[in-house]
Amino acid sequence: GAGVSQSPSNKVTEKGKDVELRCDPISGHTALYWYRQSLGQGLEFLIYFQGNSAPDKSGLPSDRFSAERTGGSVSTLTIQRTQQEDSAVYLCASSSKQGSYNSPLHFGNGTRLTVT
Amino acid sequence: ILNVEQSPQSLHVQEGDSTNFTCSFPSSNFYALHWYRWETAKSPEALFVMTLNGDEKKKGRISATLNTKEGYSYLYIKGSQPEDSATYLCASDTGRRALTFGSGTRLQVQP
Repeated sequence: GAGVSQSPSNKVTEKGKDVELRCDPISGHTALYWYRQSLGQGLEFLIYFQGNSAPDKSGLPSDRFSAERTGGSVSTLTIQRTQQEDSAVYLCASSSKQGSYNSPLHFGNGTRLTVT
Repeated sequence: ILNVEQSPQSLHVQEGDSTNFTCSFPSSNFYALHWYRWETAKSPEALFVMTLNGDEKKKGRISATLNTKEGYSYLYIKGSQPEDSATYLCASDTGRRALTFGSGTRLQVQP
């Protein structure tokens, strides 16, 4: 079956421009996560959607970052006025977590964002 | 321990060697401990999700143990092969938010 799909796979943008990153989770998965990995760093939590609950935005590094999840499915991560420090691989993951903590995360292949 | 910590940061072994890494995590509010393998140019792939103290899981040559009281998990690879070369990530689930990942152990297996 289809896995988690992210687009674009690569994005090069100029400093100050806005970018949108898209994630299509596995159908039926209620939980959706955004992480990023900067060069030489571990996975940094950004935002977490679980069903109809209010998203956990506690990992967003600044108010230039926002995310939404429409219809409980597709999610878009938007970065406004990009800065060079935003350059990273942005990973989306989904899981069927719904009261069960046995569910692994299924990751997409990521979007490599380069801000020049 | 407040964060998820992994050691060593990197490891170089010869083909056929057995190896192990450590993941330390907060023992309070424990729900689950995850292990993932992340190969270069691919997405992280789940290896194990462990929830019970004393639990042991095995997948081929890879196995993991869990101690929730003291907050650590070990990942073992028996007879390492070059295709085992990857970064191995652990992540803690405290049930309150998304998983918290460690920085990973980068394994390189020389043929």
